[in-house]
Amino acid sequence: EIVLTQSPGTLSLSPGERATLSCRASQSVSSSYLAWYQQKPGQAPRLLIYGASSRATGIPDRFSGSGSGTDFTLTISRLEPEDFAVYYCQQYGSSPPPYTFGQGTKLEIK
Amino acid sequence: QVQLVQSGAEVKKPGSSVKVSCKASGGTFSSYTISWVRQAPGQGLEWMGRIIPILGIANYAQKFQGRVTITADKSTSTAYMELSSLRSEDTAVYYCATGFQQFDYWGQGTLVTVSS
Repeated sequence: EIVLTQSPGTLSLSPGERATLSCRASQSVSSSYLAWYQQKPGQAPRLLIYGASSRATGIPDRFSGSGSGTDFTLTISRLEPEDFAVYYCQQYGSSPPPYTFGQGTKLEIK
Repeated sequence: QVQLVQSGAEVKKPGSSVKVSCKASGGTFSSYTISWVRQAPGQGLEWMGRIIPILGIANYAQKFQGRVTITADKSTSTAYMELSSLRSEDTAVYYCATGFQQFDYWGQGTLVTVSS
């Protein structure tokens, strides 16, 4: 099983600042199969980034993804009040289980 | 745009079973891959299994093998997830989601509470 470890666990920033979230895999992950989600309290997760760097439909361009192999990053260039939420990375692979998630990073207002 | 609408909250006794539905609209149901993902209170996301309706094939995370059954009814564009032998640790929000490599669309979630 591929384990995804996200850091930091909690990130405290102010609106307008830049956020950098990390996702590290225990084995190499195809870049095509790494995604990021945003989840707000009481809501379902929302797809932000797929294929490591492609924005999903309707996602603002302040969100960007990068990385390859075992290290991936989600960057939010200038935080808006609505961006404070929990973020999860997710990988798809051939070894069972085919899908695993990171444990999440909580982005909170400083 | 695909929309997924799930059935309502459930309260179940330990040892019983629960069946949650997920009705899809806005796309071609048979071509979807539909997964079920659960989230215990205050915890992260956990993939349980998936079905590809056009193939009628389901596969499951090893953790849930033997306890979970995922089915799909193409005539009503509805997927189902049944979890048996419920225990308190199964208390969670259960989501259905579509997508193959990633989960593009999600249902609103169904809270299943297991309590005596």
